[in-house]
Amino acid sequence: DTEVTQTPKHLVMGMTNKKSLKCEQHMGHRAMYWYKQKAKKPPELMFVYSYEKLSINESVPSRFSPECPNSSLLNLHLHALQPEDSALYLCASSQMGPNEKLFFGSGTQLSVL
Amino acid sequence: AQSVTQLDSQVPVFEEAPVELRCNYSSSVSVYLFWYVQYPNQGLQLLLKYLSGSTLVESINGFEAEFNKSQTSFHLRKPSVHISDTAEYFCAVINTGRRALTFGSGTRLQVQP
Repeated sequence: DTEVTQTPKHLVMGMTNKKSLKCEQHMGHRAMYWYKQKAKKPPELMFVYSYEKLSINESVPSRFSPECPNSSLLNLHLHALQPEDSALYLCASSQMGPNEKLFFGSGTQLSVL
Repeated sequence: AQSVTQLDSQVPVFEEAPVELRCNYSSSVSVYLFWYVQYPNQGLQLLLKYLSGSTLVESINGFEAEFNKSQTSFHLRKPSVHISDTAEYFCAVINTGRRALTFGSGTRLQVQP
């Protein structure tokens, strides 16, 4: 299994809603990532987890809250988002670190109304 | 600090023609370099990477890139493109001190029949 699975594929939410994005991999990777990608832009790093511990937070607003319950799962909890947070949210994983190959999921397309 | 510049936002080319997508990087220390491809409505896939050793690296689908330290470049080439190569291509860099990729702004390769 060489896939990173993200759910849901599409999400529409209001600014007062609470929702969660989920990411799962079964490749034994110990590094997992959240990226945000706006249309026609490159992915921007949000968070990195190494061995289930948060190792990088790229000064992301607190309305985004990551969680790594175990080595296979990565969540991104969303609360009180703004319309400008609408984007494609990509999850990725790698064996030991980013100089190893990153495997990306197909993303969650988020629209905030 | 590390950064990567992709000089062309779009590259239109006819099928079976050669193509070069340009990438220049900036880093004060040694780097690892990557090319990722993103097909419509999908996540990113690793195309090829340079970590060390031979400066010419190849992918399984006919792309190659050459690491040029003196020119700080890592241009991507293919001698004959196919319609199916139409996608967004991202150059990415990581230096040996940082733990996450920095992506370039992307180049849209549009292969025309």
